[in-house]
Amino acid sequence: AQTVTQSQPEMSVQEAETVTLSCTYDTSESDYYLFWYKQPPSRQMILVIRQEAYKQQNATENRFSVNFQKAAKSFSLKISDSQLGDAAMYFCAYDTTSGTYKYIFGTGTRLKVLA
Amino acid sequence: KAGVTQTPRYLIKTRGQQVTLSCSPISGHRSVSWYQQTPGQGLQFLFEYFSETQRNKGNFPGRFSGRQFSNSRSEMNVSTLELGDSALYLCATRQGFGTDTQYFGPGTRLTVL
Repeated sequence: AQTVTQSQPEMSVQEAETVTLSCTYDTSESDYYLFWYKQPPSRQMILVIRQEAYKQQNATENRFSVNFQKAAKSFSLKISDSQLGDAAMYFCAYDTTSGTYKYIFGTGTRLKVLA
Repeated sequence: KAGVTQTPRYLIKTRGQQVTLSCSPISGHRSVSWYQQTPGQGLQFLFEYFSETQRNKGNFPGRFSGRQFSNSRSEMNVSTLELGDSALYLCATRQGFGTDTQYFGPGTRLTVL
């Protein structure tokens, strides 16, 4: 069974600085999707970025980018030029292509942005 | 396009009662998934519906059930509520059944007293 691990329960970053959130996963599949979702205090889960495992190129969305290391089964999120609005819980998620089609979430990392 | 909507946003029930939560997907989305979020267990998958059929189910007791209507709206029902059912229930929708990106609703906060 697939698992997703986020080993950092909480991280802090100074406004305008860069922070990296870690995510590792375990799978025997070769094709899958990985996601980072953000959940601010308002509770709405918002998609931050998506990576398709068969793509070598790391996904980027404005200030958000990933470092996808398929062999190491690592999928970290880098937030550049951190803003106060980035403060939230960040969840890493795995989506299998094997037919079960359900997200497997990590336990989340709470990001605090310090002014 | 309007986002995923969930009603009600807050619910307070007592043990033994039953509850029904509703999720309206983004227009054109035919798949609806439900998740339970608690501080202790994190986000756990309940079930997914596509074209009015349950396609996947998580490891939850039979007290948790759902259904999907022809307009893709979905309801989730929990019978004989227990204190441990207190949670944020999130609905997520996507266009098809498969590896499309899921978009989440704001959630329903259920408190069981």
